[in-house]
Formats: sequence, C-alpha cells, structure tokens
Amino acid sequence: SQQGEEDPQALSIQEGENATMNCSYKTSINNLQWYRQNSGRGLVHLILIRSNEREKHSGRLRVTLDTSKKSSSLLITASRAADTASYFCATDVQGNKLVFGAGTILRVKS
Amino acid sequence: NAGVTQTPKFQVLKTGQSMTLQCAQDMNHNSMYWYRQDPGMGLRLIYYSASEGTTDKGEVPNGYNVSRLNKREFSLRLESAAPSQTSVYFCASTLSVRGGYTFGSGTRLTVV
Repeated sequence: SQQGEEDPQALSIQEGENATMNCSYKTSINNLQWYRQNSGRGLVHLILIRSNEREKHSGRLRVTLDTSKKSSSLLITASRAADTASYFCATDVQGNKLVFGAGTILRVKS
Repeated sequence: NAGVTQTPKFQVLKTGQSMTLQCAQDMNHNSMYWYRQDPGMGLRLIYYSASEGTTDKGEVPNGYNVSRLNKREFSLRLESAAPSQTSVYFCASTLSVRGGYTFGSGTRLTVV
C-alpha cells in the first residue's frame, strides 16, 4: 500500500491560474518531498519540507505541511504551460528511503 | 554535468531472458535506489543501497537482484524476465538519505 496519496488525480487549469495539489500520508515522517515528472522523463526534485516545518517557498512554489492531519499541499502560482507535468509527493519513512504517491497530472492550457 | 546515467534507454526482452540495467552517478552520492513505475501506481522501490557495500530490499524485490559495484555504480539484474516486469525503471541517488533524490532518465523495458 502506498504511503502517500495525491489529490486530485488530474487537474486542468488555464495559464495564469493557481494550481493546488494535496498529499496525504499514513505514518510519521522525517520529511516530505515534491517531485515533477515531464512526459517520458525522469523525476525532478522540487522542494523538501521537514517534519518540524509548516510552510516553505521556492519561487512560484509554496508547500505546506500539517503533521497533525498527515497532509501536505503544493501550490503553484501563476501557472505556465511549461508547468504541465505529473507531480508526486514522497515521504521519507524510516529515514533511509522515499515512498512515492501515485501522482497528480497537471495540465495547464494556454 | 551528467548526474545519474542509465543504460540502456529502451529494451525488449523475451520471457525468460536475462539482462542487467546499469546506473552510474558522478555526484559522489552515498545512497542509490532502483524504482519501477507503472501506470497509475506511482514509483515502487525495488532495491536500494544506503551506502557502498550495503543493499536492501524495497517494496517489490521479487525477480530482481542488485549489485553496488562501487560508490558510483548500482546495477539491477533480471535473471528470468517475465511480462509482469514490463515497466519503466528509474535509478536515483542522494548524498544524504534525508535529502532530495536525483533521478536518471529511465529505462523502458518490455517483456514479450
């Protein structure tokens, strides 16, 4: 069974709009990470938030973490067509490996 | 700036054939990982090597073996390929087990 589950499974928005993806997980974590995967490519690390952090920013990305609810959200502001990709959350369980969710497919229409 | 290099990029095998997927990183990372990605399943961990000289099973190790040849290289072997092993395989590495991973571009394997 997967540790992390993203919601929604797919999201379609217009360029310039904000995109929000959510991730829920089951067990205690050391950190939670978000990755992007363009079609046919490998995953690219976007941002890492530690269990003692509540919010983190990187450019147009904003990640929040609520350990009491075992959930995280990724917000992409002012989306661009180039943001079209699959987004995965991954949790660092037991400190030595990442467990990935099934991903959210984001389509940004221009 | 090679990062993580995987070979081959594509492979078609017949059921029962064997092959080795190669992975090499040039970032002096300590930990290396093999994942498989199937539609709708996300990535599932096959094997990992937290440091040179150690390997451990992940979520789906059956039918696979690994070798951490040295700090740079981590190979994945399929001894007798089965259609259920048709997938995209990704190698990843990280300096610290609690840091972000760097992924290779993947090997698309089809077993017929």
